[in-house]
Amino acid sequence: EAQVTQNPRYLITVTGKKLTVTCSQNMNHEYMSWYRQDPGLGLRQIYYSMNVEVTDKGDVPEGYKVSRKEKRNFPLILESPSPNQTSLYFCASSSLTEVRSYNEQFFGPGTRLTVL
Amino acid sequence: DAKTTQPPSMDCAEGRAANLPCNHSTISGNEYVYWYRQIHSQGPQYIIHGLKNNETNEMASLIITEDRKSSTLILPHATLRDTAVYYCIAGFPGANNLFFGTGTRLTVIP
Repeated sequence: EAQVTQNPRYLITVTGKKLTVTCSQNMNHEYMSWYRQDPGLGLRQIYYSMNVEVTDKGDVPEGYKVSRKEKRNFPLILESPSPNQTSLYFCASSSLTEVRSYNEQFFGPGTRLTVL
Repeated sequence: DAKTTQPPSMDCAEGRAANLPCNHSTISGNEYVYWYRQIHSQGPQYIIHGLKNNETNEMASLIITEDRKSSTLILPHATLRDTAVYYCIAGFPGANNLFFGTGTRLTVIP
């Protein structure tokens, strides 16, 4: 089954304790992206990647890091989490093979992060 | 990317067609119209997209006006499982970021 998986699905942590949220897709997609969703603010892009070893900042990258060492994986790293990073996080992927399908993004189930 | 305007909420009776409008009066010639939905707090789900012509797939139909300033997503026979927030997005196909906005909360009523 074609899917995007995220782990963990729920996480409660404390300020300053480094954490990683994993994202993996099995569709051989070139494009992957991380979003955060907060009430009243919609989905905002954190980082994206057009292919292996190619990453770039989205709209709200501060406090986050990413890496793309393999095509299927795109982990989100919070080196020193703070309470304002409490949010619902989504990973997404899409194919860049056909222009028409560029924005047909497949989303993961989400990771709900609470930073105390 | 062009900004889109959607009503904040709509109701639809179960079994009836749900028609969700979207205004995108500043859309440019190469921008597509994309529709996604988000059920509760699940990941958004792609529904359909189009450029000029009307489109239909197994989930929905997309009707785009001739001047492309507005569009309507049609769910032909709404079910309770279609209750969700629906996002209309205008964007270039090569764009790396889709602006989701706040969408329309559709409630399907039994």
